[in-house]
Amino acid sequence: AQSVTQPDIHITVSEGASLELRCNYSYGATPYLFWYVQSPGQGLQLLLKYFSGDTLVQGIKGFEAEFKRSQSSFNLRKPSVHWSDAAEYFCAVGASGGYNKLIFGAGTRLAVHP
Amino acid sequence: NAGVMQNPRHLVRRRGQEARLRCSPMKGHSHVYWYRQLPEEGLKFMVYLQKENIIDESGMPKERFSAEFPKEGPSILRIQQVVRGDSAAYFCASSPWDEDEKLFFGSGTQLSVL
Repeated sequence: AQSVTQPDIHITVSEGASLELRCNYSYGATPYLFWYVQSPGQGLQLLLKYFSGDTLVQGIKGFEAEFKRSQSSFNLRKPSVHWSDAAEYFCAVGASGGYNKLIFGAGTRLAVHP
Repeated sequence: NAGVMQNPRHLVRRRGQEARLRCSPMKGHSHVYWYRQLPEEGLKFMVYLQKENIIDESGMPKERFSAEFPKEGPSILRIQQVVRGDSAAYFCASSPWDEDEKLFFGSGTQLSVL
């Protein structure tokens, strides 16, 4: 069955520190992979996506993610976290069907200490 | 260009009542998706609609739930005879066509069933 696992429910980092949010997926074919961010009371905003090609993808707000097929992972990284990055982050995989029927992980809530 | 608009933002219903959630997609978008987010969980796909057509409703509960996207007006997600387990955040997303990988999400409707 297709699934997405985000092992860390909550993460706290200091402002300026580096960040890595983990995402593992289970998918039968080459996946389409996404990271979304959700600020309180807001909808989801797309940070970045991977479809094919270069396995290191750059996104908005200084985020990047690396697709590792051998590890079935798509971890999100940022070299220096800002207080405004505090939010919930969702990893998602594109399901079969050719349209935006995404499977989401349960999310990682990021807190940033000043 | 306004984003995806959902209303109401918060909806309180008593058990047995009906809930109607509205979603106006972004201008020019003819594809609408509904997702449900239960507490402490990721978003779960419910239904995918195009104008006047339900394309995929595989994520919809078999009873009490229905969705439509008429030729004119917003998409409606309707829940009849609500139960406490229906309490969740319901998100709508739109895209211009089904091959487009980018979804634009609304801010969601938080449904609380008393």
